[in-house]
Amino acid sequence: DGGITQSPKYLFRKEGQNVTLSCEQNLNHDAMYWYRQDPGQGLRLIYYSQIVNDFQKGDIAEGYSVSREKKESFPLTVTSAQKNPTAFYLCASSIGASGVYEQYFGPGTRLTVT
Amino acid sequence: GDSVTQMEGPVTLSEEAFLTINCTYTATGYPSLFWYVQYPGEGLQLLLKATKADDKGSNKGFEATYRKETTSFHLEKGSVQVSDSAVYFCALDSGGYQKVTFGTGTKLQVIP
Repeated sequence: DGGITQSPKYLFRKEGQNVTLSCEQNLNHDAMYWYRQDPGQGLRLIYYSQIVNDFQKGDIAEGYSVSREKKESFPLTVTSAQKNPTAFYLCASSIGASGVYEQYFGPGTRLTVT
Repeated sequence: GDSVTQMEGPVTLSEEAFLTINCTYTATGYPSLFWYVQYPGEGLQLLLKATKADDKGSNKGFEATYRKETTSFHLEKGSVQVSDSAVYFCALDSGGYQKVTFGTGTKLQVIP
């Protein structure tokens, strides 16, 4: 079955450590996204990528980094510079850039930093 | 810039009640409009979409009509079930750089 996988589902880290969240898709989609979800705030875009080896900052990119070396993979690193990293992180993908295509979401990773 | 405004939740309804969740938007051009649903602890799933004015999206008994004159895309269902309890997100996509704008979500709780 085609879809998006995120691992792990729950992740715990100590303050000051970098952590990388995995996102893999086998839908052959060009575009991929990372969102952060906090209670009562909806989804906020961290980074997006329209094509391999290219990515753009979203609305809240500070303290995060990404790479897009392969079409199917878009890992997100939460660095120690992110002031409030505890959140639910969602990865998504879509077919292309025309604006009519929906996004497909992974199951999310809940990150807790103490 | 683009924005989406949803009615505040939570919304609590009895089973078989009629549901309306309001959504209005501000956007340049002619965006596509979407409703996504999120069940507890999961990612979002597309519920329905409409890509041009007067289009009606429908799925699983839910409907929404793209109203350009009122810049609205209200979600409706004639008879809700307990299994419809979830958070519902309205979203728009103006195209271009593939950035989608989401509303803050409306939590629906359906009680037996």
